[in-house]
Amino acid sequence: GENVEQHPSTLSVQEGDSAVIKCTYSDSASNYFPWYKQELGKGPQLIIDIRSNVGEKKDQRIAVTLNKTAKHFSLHITETQPEDSAVYFCAASKRGGADGLTFGKGTHLIIQP
Amino acid sequence: ETGVTQSPTHLIKTRGQQVTLRCSSQSGHNTVSWYQQALGQGPQFIFQYYREEENGRGNFPPRFSGLQFPNYSSELNVNALELDDSALYLCAKGRAGETQYFGPGTRLLVL
Repeated sequence: GENVEQHPSTLSVQEGDSAVIKCTYSDSASNYFPWYKQELGKGPQLIIDIRSNVGEKKDQRIAVTLNKTAKHFSLHITETQPEDSAVYFCAASKRGGADGLTFGKGTHLIIQP
Repeated sequence: ETGVTQSPTHLIKTRGQQVTLRCSSQSGHNTVSWYQQALGQGPQFIFQYYREEENGRGNFPPRFSGLQFPNYSSELNVNALELDDSALYLCAKGRAGETQYFGPGTRLLVL
C-alpha cells in the first residue's frame, strides 16, 4: 500500500518568513495530493491540493509543488502570520480508488512573533 | 465550514462496550469515508461507503463496521472496544482521489 513520509515534524519560523514542508510517497499510481491544516480541537481543513498532471499550484500565500519522478511534493507558505500556526498534513491517494487518503504524520508549524 | 457535522463531540466508554458515531452533511454526497486519528498522528483510513455499500477498507478489523443511509448520513460502529480505540474519529464527504471535506470529529476515550 501507499506510504507517505513527512518532514519536519516541527517547524518554527519568524513571522513574515517562509515555511516549507516536504512529503514523499511510495506508490507511483497515486495521482492526487491534498494538504490539510488542523487546529487544536478541530477536523482537518483542506488548504490546497494538486493532481499529478500539474507541477505547481498557487493560492495567494500558499503554493504546492509536485515532482512525480522523485515522488515528492512540498507545501510553501510565504509571509507567515500567527494564524498559520497549526498542524499541517500531506496526503496521497489514487483517483477512482477506494483506499482512502494516506496521510503523513504531520508538521507542527509554530510562527514566532 | 465544510457542512459536515458529527455527533457526539465527545464520548467516554469502557473496554468491551460498543459505540455508534454519527455523521451527516448539509449537501448530500454519495461517498463518505471514516478515519481514525490517534493523538499526535495523521488520520488513518477505516473505510469508505458509496451509495450505501462499503467499497473500500483500510487495515481495521471487522469489529469496525458502518452504514450509509439513503440521505447520505452515515454511522460508524465499533464493537468490543479496546483501550487503543481511544482516538478522534473523523468522517469526510467526497471520494478517494478527489476533494474530501472533513467534519470536526468525535473524540472517543476508552477506559
